[in-house]
Amino acid sequence: AQTVTQSQPEMSVQEAETVTLSCTYDTSESDYYLFWYKQPPSRQMILVIRQEAYKQQNATENRFSVNFQKAAKSFSLKISDSQLGDAAMYFCAYRVQGGSEKLVFGKGTKLTVNP
Amino acid sequence: DTAVSQTPKYLVTQMGNDKSIKCEQNLGHDTMYWYKQDSKKFLKIMFSYNNKELIINETVPNRFSPKSPDKAHLNLHINSLELGDSAVYFCASSQARKGEQYFGPGTRLTVT
Repeated sequence: AQTVTQSQPEMSVQEAETVTLSCTYDTSESDYYLFWYKQPPSRQMILVIRQEAYKQQNATENRFSVNFQKAAKSFSLKISDSQLGDAAMYFCAYRVQGGSEKLVFGKGTKLTVNP
Repeated sequence: DTAVSQTPKYLVTQMGNDKSIKCEQNLGHDTMYWYKQDSKKFLKIMFSYNNKELIINETVPNRFSPKSPDKAHLNLHINSLELGDSAVYFCASSQARKGEQYFGPGTRLTVT
């Protein structure tokens, strides 16, 4: 079964600095999707960024970028120029392409942004 | 326009009662899901429906029964509520083989 591990329960960063959140996963599949979701105190789950496993190029969305290392099964999220509004729980998620298509989530990392 | 909506957003009820949570998506997606987020924030799939057909039932007690009247709606009915059912329940939708899932705002269920 696929598993997702986020080894940092909590992280903090100073406003305007850069922070990297770690995620590793375990799968025997070769084709899949990876995601980072943000959950602010409002509890809404917000898609931050997605990566398709067959794409070697790392995904980027404005201040958010990933470092996808397929062989190492690692998928870290880098947040540049951190803003107070980035404070939230961040969840790494894995989805198999085809089949059940369910998301398997990590346990989350709580990010605090200090002014 | 809300893409994935859930009602109610908060639900407080007593043990033994039966309750329902409704979900609707206006994204034209063909697949819908229910996830449960426990008190430690862990998210886990409960059910998945594709074009009104059940695809996943992840070892959920049979007190939980999903119903999909059409591919834009997926409701969750819970019988004989227990204290351990207290959680946030999220509905989500996606287009099959397209990747990302979009979540509703969640329903916080409290069983007293």
